[in-house]
Amino acid sequence: NAGVTQTPKFRILKIGQSMTLQCTQDMNHNYMYWYRQDPGMGLKLIYYSVGAGITDKGEVPNGYNVSRSTTEDFPLRLELAAPSQTSVYFCASRQGPDTQYFGPGTRLTVL
Amino acid sequence: GENVEQHPSTLSVQEGDSAVIKCTYSDSASNYFPWYKQELGKRPQLIIDIRSNVGEKKDQRIAVTLNKTAKHFSLHITETQPEDSAVYFCAASNTGFQKLVFGTGTRLLVSP
Repeated sequence: NAGVTQTPKFRILKIGQSMTLQCTQDMNHNYMYWYRQDPGMGLKLIYYSVGAGITDKGEVPNGYNVSRSTTEDFPLRLELAAPSQTSVYFCASRQGPDTQYFGPGTRLTVL
Repeated sequence: GENVEQHPSTLSVQEGDSAVIKCTYSDSASNYFPWYKQELGKRPQLIIDIRSNVGEKKDQRIAVTLNKTAKHFSLHITETQPEDSAVYFCAASNTGFQKLVFGTGTRLLVSP
C-alpha cells in the first residue's frame, strides 16, 4: 500500500491564482482530513470528510473548498490565493477510531 | 467540543535523561489518545497510542500513561537520544467524535 499520497510536493502561486491540492489514499479509509501547518506551529483542521459525498468544516475553512466523490480521493481547492495561505498542507486518513495516517505534505508559497 | 492542552511547549534534555510531556483533555467521553512525532520537514507519524480501557502502554523506550479521573495523559521517553529531537503532538478522540483534536505540540531537543 502507498498509504496517503499528495501532489504536488511544492508549489508557488501568485496572489489571486487558484489551485487544487490532490490527496489519495489506498487503505479504504472512510475518514479523510485536510490540515494546514504554519511554520513552527501546530496542526489546524481545514475540512474533513466521513465518507464519499459528505464533507464538513474544520477550524479554518475560509478560502478553501473540498469535495469527496470517491472513497479514495479528497482534493482541496484554493480559490483566489492569498499570502496568508502560505503553509504546509497535510492530508490524512483514518478508519473509525483507529490510527490516523498523514500524507507527506504540500508546501505552498503565495507571493 | 473537545479541547486538548499540551505542556511544555519546549523541552531540552541531555542525552540519556528522561523526558515527560503532559496533555489534558476536556471531554470525559474521549477514549483514544495517540502521540505523534514530527521531525523537521516531515509528516507527523504515530509513535504510540492508548485507549481508555488501559492505564499504561509501553513500547521500548517510550510509554504513555492515562489518568481518566484527572483527564490527563503523558508521554514518557527514557534514555533519550539525539534522534528523539522532534516536535511531539498529543491528540484525543472519542468513539462518536469523528476528528482527532491535537495539542499545540512540544519541541524536544536532546543534546549530546
